[in-house]
Amino acid sequence: DGGITQSPKYLFRKEGQNVTLSCEQNLNHDAMYWYRQDPGQGLRLIYYSQIVNDFQKGDIAEGYSVSREKKESFPLTVTSAQKNPTAFYLCASSPGLAEKLFFGSGTQLSVL
Amino acid sequence: QKEVEQNSGPLSVPEGAIASLNCTYSDRGSQSFFWYRQYSGKSPELIMSIYSNGDKEDGRFTAQLNKASQYVSLLIRDSQPSDSATYLCAVKDTGFQKLVFGTGTRLLVSP
Repeated sequence: DGGITQSPKYLFRKEGQNVTLSCEQNLNHDAMYWYRQDPGQGLRLIYYSQIVNDFQKGDIAEGYSVSREKKESFPLTVTSAQKNPTAFYLCASSPGLAEKLFFGSGTQLSVL
Repeated sequence: QKEVEQNSGPLSVPEGAIASLNCTYSDRGSQSFFWYRQYSGKSPELIMSIYSNGDKEDGRFTAQLNKASQYVSLLIRDSQPSDSATYLCAVKDTGFQKLVFGTGTRLLVSP
């Protein structure tokens, strides 16, 4: 089945720790995205990538980093510089930039 | 920053009624508009896209677009309790080639 796989479903971070969220897609989409969702708020764009080896900052990139070494994969690292990381993280992909987005199942990140 | 505005709700309708969800946007140049449904604790699911003025129907869903008024809406006919969810409006930002999401409207359909 084609789709977007995010892992883990739940993740806990200790203070000062970096954690990496995985996102893999087999839809052959060029563009991939990371969004953050806080309770009662809309989706805020963290990073996006249009092609392999290229990515752009979104609206709230501080404290996060990404890589795009393969078309299928777009991992997100939440660094210790992100002081308020507790949120629901959503990975998405689309055939082209800013077209219909298809989302993974999400990762809930909490701070211990 | 371009904006997309939605009433947070909850919008409560009885089963079988028509639910009307509204969205306004600030980017006059936007050409692409999307409605997503999000159940609690789940990821958003695309239910409708619309690109031209007027109505677009898909089953019980109708999306309506009025670019002059910068207004897009979603009608759900014969609402079912399973339609209870948060509905997110998304608009393509022409300047930065990204989707801007509203905060969503929570819909509650009572049996």
